[in-house]
Amino acid sequence: EIVMTQSPATLSVSPGERATLSCRASQSVSSNLAWYQQKLGQAPRLLIYGASTRATGIPARFSGSGSGTEFTLTISSLQSEDFAVYYCQQYNNWPPYTFGQGTKVEIK
Amino acid sequence: EVQLVQSGAEVKKAGESLKISCKGSGYSFTTHWIGWVRQMPGKGLEWVGIIYPGDSNTRYSPSFQGQVTISADKSISTAYLQWSSLKASDTAIYYCARHSSGYSFADAFNIWGQGTMVTVSS
Repeated sequence: EIVMTQSPATLSVSPGERATLSCRASQSVSSNLAWYQQKLGQAPRLLIYGASTRATGIPARFSGSGSGTEFTLTISSLQSEDFAVYYCQQYNNWPPYTFGQGTKVEIK
Repeated sequence: EVQLVQSGAEVKKAGESLKISCKGSGYSFTTHWIGWVRQMPGKGLEWVGIIYPGDSNTRYSPSFQGQVTISADKSISTAYLQWSSLKASDTAIYYCARHSSGYSFADAFNIWGQGTMVTVSS
């Protein structure tokens, strides 16, 4: 099973600042990597797939990069609605398609 | 509008059986994989398993193999997750979610249900 490790566990950021979240895979997952946002009490929402392609309706301030084992989600200028938990997920190696443990982005 | 609507919250006792549902609408139900994801209280997301409603091809995460059963009734565009004997450790929110493209198994979930809270008391 591929282990996905996200860092940091918690990121404290001021509104308007840039946030950089990391996700590392225990072995290569090519570009089969997705990022999800989950707000409190809500279902997750797909932000990025294919490591760098924004999903429909996702603002341009969200961007993804990386391939192989190292991936990054960048939020260029944090808005109040962006404070949430973010998960990466690999869908390259089954079984299963594993999630990272999440990074909580909180207001500084 | 493409959506997945899940059945309501359940409160059960350990040892009881349960079947929760996920109804798809606004798209061709038979042509997209639908998966189930568990979220235990205050914890992260875990893959449970997935089904292709078109031919009922089903795959389970090793952690959940033998613990749950996933099925689908394409005549009513509904997928199911069921337990034959619940444990207190099954207490969690269970989400169904749909793959974004067609038959491809290697894919992300772009449509999510609202979640079903399952509470099991011992």
